[in-house]
Order: sequence, then structure tokens, then C-alpha cells
Amino acid sequence: GAVVSQHPSRVICKSGTSVKIECRSLDFQATTMFWYRQFPKQSLMLMATSNEGSKATYEQGVEKDKFLINHASLTLSTLTVTSAHPEDSSFYICSARDPHSNQPQHFGDGTRLSIL
Amino acid sequence: GENVEQHPSTLSVQEGDSAVIKCTYSDSASNYFPWYKQELGKRPQLIIDIRSNVGEKKDQRIAVTLNKTAKHFSLHITETQPEDSAVYFCAASMGNSGGSNYKLTFGKGTLLTVNP
Repeated sequence: GAVVSQHPSRVICKSGTSVKIECRSLDFQATTMFWYRQFPKQSLMLMATSNEGSKATYEQGVEKDKFLINHASLTLSTLTVTSAHPEDSSFYICSARDPHSNQPQHFGDGTRLSIL
Repeated sequence: GENVEQHPSTLSVQEGDSAVIKCTYSDSASNYFPWYKQELGKRPQLIIDIRSNVGEKKDQRIAVTLNKTAKHFSLHITETQPEDSAVYFCAASMGNSGGSNYKLTFGKGTLLTVNP
């Protein structure tokens, strides 16, 4: 079964709205979580690395004030897309690193974000 | 940073044939190479992985080979079935070396179509 839970699975909202996406590790503590964005027919692009108790590390070209990341506990990281616009429409996927697993990252089911 | 190239971008085979997807990476510090299968709108699913201390790994119809000297690795699927049709991504990770924090760099993906 899923070891990483991501919610919501689908969001449709108006331009200018802020949208929060949650990523939870269900049966392990994740000091590190990752946020990816995937446009149609493209690969997963890492946006940022979320570190529990400290600031996230953003990849080059990703606006930290636009994509707010909070990792306040060992099982929860949130991504908030602030003042979303149509170009932010994408598939957002989180993953969590389980330090005790042979599989370094477990992926959530993703969030389909559509901005009208 | 790491750069992963993946070929081909599309691959069409007849049921029962073999399929091979190839990836190259740029950073010799990379030491973990997973392969993911992603169906439309779903999360990436790990199908096989290989670490840099191994040259080949096999799991039933799926195998992966790694050439560290040439910095390339390949996915081999034998006796393909229509349900193998999906997008396949290779990835590379440096683990925690150089502060990379176990992040994955993905290839651009290969759309595999298995025709009945």
C-alpha cells in the first residue's frame, strides 16, 4: 500500500488563488521530502528539497516566494502555490525519503492543479 | 549538477519482443540508478534499481545493466506484454555526497508502446 499520502489529488481554481498541497509519510519519519513538477509529456523536474525543521532548498529557477514549502514535522511537508496563474497548472508530485528503506524515495499520488 | 540523457523518446515493439532503453549520466559521483514506470496521471513506480557496485541486476523479465566507466545504464524488458505500455524514466542519484541530499535527476522519459 501507499507509504506516502498526497492531498488533494485534484484542484481546480481561479487565477490568483493560493493552493496548499500536503505530503505525508504514513509509516516512517521523513527528514527529507522532495517536490516535483511535471508538465504534460515531460519529465519530473525537482522544484525543491524540503528539510524538516529548516528552510527548503530550491532548485535554480524556482521562485521560493511563489512556492512556499513548510516541513514542520517528520511526517508532513506542505507546498503552497501562492497567487496561482494558468502557467502554474501542472502535475505536482511529492516524495519522501525513508532512511531505513532500500528504496530511497517513495512517491505520493500527485496533485493535478488546474488554474482557470 | 547531474545531467541524465535518455533514449529513445518513443519506442514501439510487438508483443513478445524485447525493449531496450538507454541512459547516460554526467557526474561520476552518482551511485544509485533507479528506473520508474509511470502510467498516465499516476505516480512513478520503481521497477528496478542498481547501485554502482553492481554491473547487472535482473528481476524476472526486467534487467538493468550499468557501465560506470562509460557512465551509462540500460533497461531491458524481455517478452513484452501490452500492460508494459507506459512511460519509463531513468534517474541518477549521488546519495548524500556533495550535499546532494539523495535527490534524483530524471531522464526525459521513454514512451513504450507494446502492440498486441
